[in-house]
Amino acid sequence: TQLLEQSPQFLSIQEGENLTVYCNSSSVFSSLQWYRQEPGEGPVLLVTVVTGGEVKKLKRLTFQFGDARKDSSLHITAAQPGDTGLYLCATPSGTALIFGKGTTLSVSS
Amino acid sequence: DSGVTQTPKHLITATGQRVTLRCSPRSGDLSVYWYQQSLDQGLQFLIHYYNGEERAKGNILERFSAQQFPDLHSELNLSSLELGDSALYFCASSPATSGRWEQYFGPGTRLTVT
Repeated sequence: TQLLEQSPQFLSIQEGENLTVYCNSSSVFSSLQWYRQEPGEGPVLLVTVVTGGEVKKLKRLTFQFGDARKDSSLHITAAQPGDTGLYLCATPSGTALIFGKGTTLSVSS
Repeated sequence: DSGVTQTPKHLITATGQRVTLRCSPRSGDLSVYWYQQSLDQGLQFLIHYYNGEERAKGNILERFSAQQFPDLHSELNLSSLELGDSALYFCASSPATSGRWEQYFGPGTRLTVT
């Protein structure tokens, strides 16, 4: 079973700061999904990356997929309190998804 | 709102008891997935149903079972509950069977076993 390691586990920053969180595996990803989960809610898909070296942008969020498809990063520019939440990476395994344990981000104003 | 509904929102019960969690997928989605989320294990896949048939099992205990009904809603049955079963249980739905497709998660059921 493929294991996804996310780092850092926790991140607490001030509004306006930039940050990067990471998702790594020892195995190649067929594809990778990033989800955000807010307290009391289920995860919501942010983006799917498929091709090695791919970069996708979603407003202030930039997602990169490593050339070897073994790692991915999520960069947030000028973080806002609304970005607070648990960021999860996931990869398909058969018919389901395997999730990393996530990075808990807290952005204070 | 993902379109996936789960009931109840919260459930408190005692060890040894049995509970049923219910999920209604998004309109048109044939796949239903169940996940368990705990602080130490993270979000873990339990079981997948597609159009009424079981398609895959993950880390699901023998004390747990699920089914998907003809109207596509699903139920997760947890029996002989233990303290360690306390967790968030999520249902997700998808239009297809592959994990490559986006899964839409419900708001979850928080189970507390005392």
